[in-house]
Amino acid sequence: SQQGEEDPQALSIQEGENATMNCSYKTSINNLQWYRQNSGRGLVHLILIRSNEREKHSGRLRVTLDTSKKSSSLLITASRAADTASYFCALGGDTGRRALTFGSGTRLQVQP
Amino acid sequence: ETGVTQTPRHLVMGMTNKKSLKCEQHLGHNAMYWYKQSAKKPLELMFVYNFKEQTENNSVPSRFSPECPNSSHLFLHLHTLQPEDSALYLCASSQGNEQFFGPGTRLTVL
Repeated sequence: SQQGEEDPQALSIQEGENATMNCSYKTSINNLQWYRQNSGRGLVHLILIRSNEREKHSGRLRVTLDTSKKSSSLLITASRAADTASYFCALGGDTGRRALTFGSGTRLQVQP
Repeated sequence: ETGVTQTPRHLVMGMTNKKSLKCEQHLGHNAMYWYKQSAKKPLELMFVYNFKEQTENNSVPSRFSPECPNSSHLFLHLHTLQPEDSALYLCASSQGNEQFFGPGTRLTVL
């Protein structure tokens, strides 16, 4: 499959805990992006990591990429109830194709 | 607000109706996309437009007809849909790698 596959499908944690989501893929990529979606709404871009990068930070977000294992992880530190949402990884291809290929998502529930 | 608007936000239609979804982006982007999001399925790419030209059609049935009159507007014309076409239809635009999404149109086909 060309799409990313997220793991776990669902995650429930307490406020203040860290949340880790993983994405595995099978194709070559130019970049990998993470998006967030609140229930029934559009997706919001969180962070992009290029294929030649191994780690990237943005606020409470930390993304890692291991191209040898074709996997990425998204870590949200010190989670808040407002972080409750679905999180998707999206693969940017290396052929100049504009479209992204999205995974099936991880549904995160942060309990207050 | 992401700079991408979609109308209507909700639409209920019968299988014999004809309706259109509209997307407008105020970001000056040169690429626009239609995605379909069904329950418990990954986001499915439907169409890609680059500088008003369709560059991808992901084997979408002909009952979905896209139109891109200019780089800021994208339409999805719907006719003789099936109940399984009920979903959230998302529009997005981009200039570089990051895509900006609209809030979506929740479509119900009766």
